[in-house]
Amino acid sequence: GGIITQTPKFLIGQEGQKLTLKCQQNFNHDTMYWYRQDSGKGLRLIYYSITENDLQKGDLSEGYDASREKKSSFSLTVTSAQKNEMAVFLCASSIPDPNTEVFFGKGTRLTVV
Amino acid sequence: GEKVEQHESTLSVREGDSAVINCTYTDTASSYFPWYKQEAGKGLHFVIDIRSNVDRKQSQRLIVLLDKKAKRFSLHITATQPEDSAIYFCAASMNNNRIFFGDGTQLVVKP
Repeated sequence: GGIITQTPKFLIGQEGQKLTLKCQQNFNHDTMYWYRQDSGKGLRLIYYSITENDLQKGDLSEGYDASREKKSSFSLTVTSAQKNEMAVFLCASSIPDPNTEVFFGKGTRLTVV
Repeated sequence: GEKVEQHESTLSVREGDSAVINCTYTDTASSYFPWYKQEAGKGLHFVIDIRSNVDRKQSQRLIVLLDKKAKRFSLHITATQPEDSAIYFCAASMNNNRIFFGDGTQLVVKP
């Protein structure tokens, strides 16, 4: 089996600050994702990357940048933290087949003060 | 885009009873329907899926039904146990890497 490691687990930022969330996977998966989960809500896709050097916008990409540094790592940057961005950010990975299980990390909980 | 609605936000059942979580989707092009479970401290993990070429799939105590005509699918958990208590998410995908999730159902199994 493998594991997805997200750092940090908790992130406190100031309004307007640029914040970076990191994700590493050792499944050797080609595809990686960043989702945002708001309290009591489902997951919304921010960015995904089908292979190394690929980057695609999801439904919630405005206000975020992403970078696929290498096959095993995918980072997400909040370009200017806003008060309404208190949420949990989930990193995930899978094989390229779209109709297959996606594996999730445990999340980074962001609080903006 | 696709919109997935999960009808029950909370569901409470007695241990040993069955639990049913219902979802609907909007886009007829959706062809893959996974279910995920989220437990406190354990993250989100896959439990079962169904593809549009079948209308029923079972894995041990989990049964998924798909009604393409009504654009409806459901998760049935039989003989529930306390460890089934969690938040369950249904999702739909159109044979690409974009998965659309419902808002989740908090299932509580009472002893």
